[in-house]
Amino acid sequence: DQQVKQNSPSLSVQEGRISILNCDYTNSMFDYFLWYKKYPAEGPTFLISISSIKDKNEDGRFTVFLNKSAKHLSLHIVPSQPGDSAVYFCAASGAGGKLIFGQGTELSVKP
Amino acid sequence: GAVVSQHPSWVICKSGTSVKIECRSLDFQATTMFWYRQFPKQSLMLMATSNEGSKATYEQGVEKDKFLINHASLTLSTLTVTSAHPEDSSFYICSAIWEGWYGYTFGSGTRLTVV
Repeated sequence: DQQVKQNSPSLSVQEGRISILNCDYTNSMFDYFLWYKKYPAEGPTFLISISSIKDKNEDGRFTVFLNKSAKHLSLHIVPSQPGDSAVYFCAASGAGGKLIFGQGTELSVKP
Repeated sequence: GAVVSQHPSWVICKSGTSVKIECRSLDFQATTMFWYRQFPKQSLMLMATSNEGSKATYEQGVEKDKFLINHASLTLSTLTVTSAHPEDSSFYICSAIWEGWYGYTFGSGTRLTVV
């Protein structure tokens, strides 16, 4: 039972344009959502998070949107840079503090 | 602050042997740590929740006798893969909660290869 889903395994974007990564979840008890960036053979690096009481959180080039009714969140990166190329995971947290991760989306930003 | 050190970063072992992976919180006390594994091109799957001074809580499908977790102090949790087999080859990552509930920090991961 995949509680957190990232349906796009990959995304390719031109440098300077917007990257939009999507994530869906099924468990309505999740109350905190996070996005991580990950390179192979390294631990995830925290990017941005959002509480379920909000619908938007912005930090520099990164903005996360949460649509609770649709159980959907998205990460917007604008403008995209080649250094943003990595695998992005969304994660959701609920009872006990456990993080449940999506499958990841590999972002490639082309110069 | 909030650094988690994971060691070793990579290890190769023979089938049937045991491997211990350490996860240390360097500048904070971690009452709760989590262990994940990741197969290539797949998600990080939660294996177990490690609580200081008590038994770990394992996720469904994870063999607790095979993946031994010890959290004997507020700064150290260990994962021991016992009687390792090639199918245990994976990337193992620990994480810890800090500053309340919603701060998570991750170790750098351990790549285990069983030959």
